Amino acid sequence: AQSVTQLDSQVPVFEEAPVELRCNYSSSVSVYLFWYVQYPNQGLQLLLKYLSGSTLVKGINGFEAEFNKSQTSFHLRKPSVHISDTAEYFCAASGTGNQFYFGTGTSLTVIP
Amino acid sequence: GAGVSQSPSNKVTEKGKDVELRCDPISGHTALYWYRQSLGQGLEFLIYFQGNSAPDKSGLPSDRFSAERTGESVSTLTIQRTQQEDSAVYLCASSLTPGTSGRGNIQYFGAGTRLSVL
Repeated sequence: AQSVTQLDSQVPVFEEAPVELRCNYSSSVSVYLFWYVQYPNQGLQLLLKYLSGSTLVKGINGFEAEFNKSQTSFHLRKPSVHISDTAEYFCAASGTGNQFYFGTGTSLTVIP
Repeated sequence: GAGVSQSPSNKVTEKGKDVELRCDPISGHTALYWYRQSLGQGLEFLIYFQGNSAPDKSGLPSDRFSAERTGESVSTLTIQRTQQEDSAVYLCASSLTPGTSGRGNIQYFGAGTRLSVL
């Protein structure tokens, strides 16, 4: 079975500090990995994706993530956060079929 | 359209009434998903449509929930005899056909319908 674990439910961080949101997945088959961001009262917006190729993927708003197959991780990072990054972040994984697995989300709060 | 459109954005109803939620997917997207997001929770898969194939209904929580989609067009999610525990945000997503390239596995979400059952 495939599942996604987001290790931190809440992450407070000061403005302009770096941040890492952790995500681990379990799967024995080919996998596609995603990070979505959800701002208050909005739907989910794709932040970045890993489909194949380079294990370091860059997304919108200065975020990046690294696919680590040996550690089955796909942690999201940003070197310097802004107040506007305050949101809920969801890690997700998919195989080649229609099954799509979401983590429970990490609430990022950027403190001025 | 440019993105996934859901209506209404907010719906308040009384316990026991039926509600219908609508989703307009991105044009050309063959796959459509419905999810439920309860307050402070992650996403709960409800149902998946792929073209004209039989839908995957494995996530529907009870027989009060049903959904329809004609071809690759609009989908409606119907909740009959609503209960207070049905209060949540209902999200719709669409994608190209999921497969081995990965691009069909990228889901694009609507803004959701916030359902409140009084």
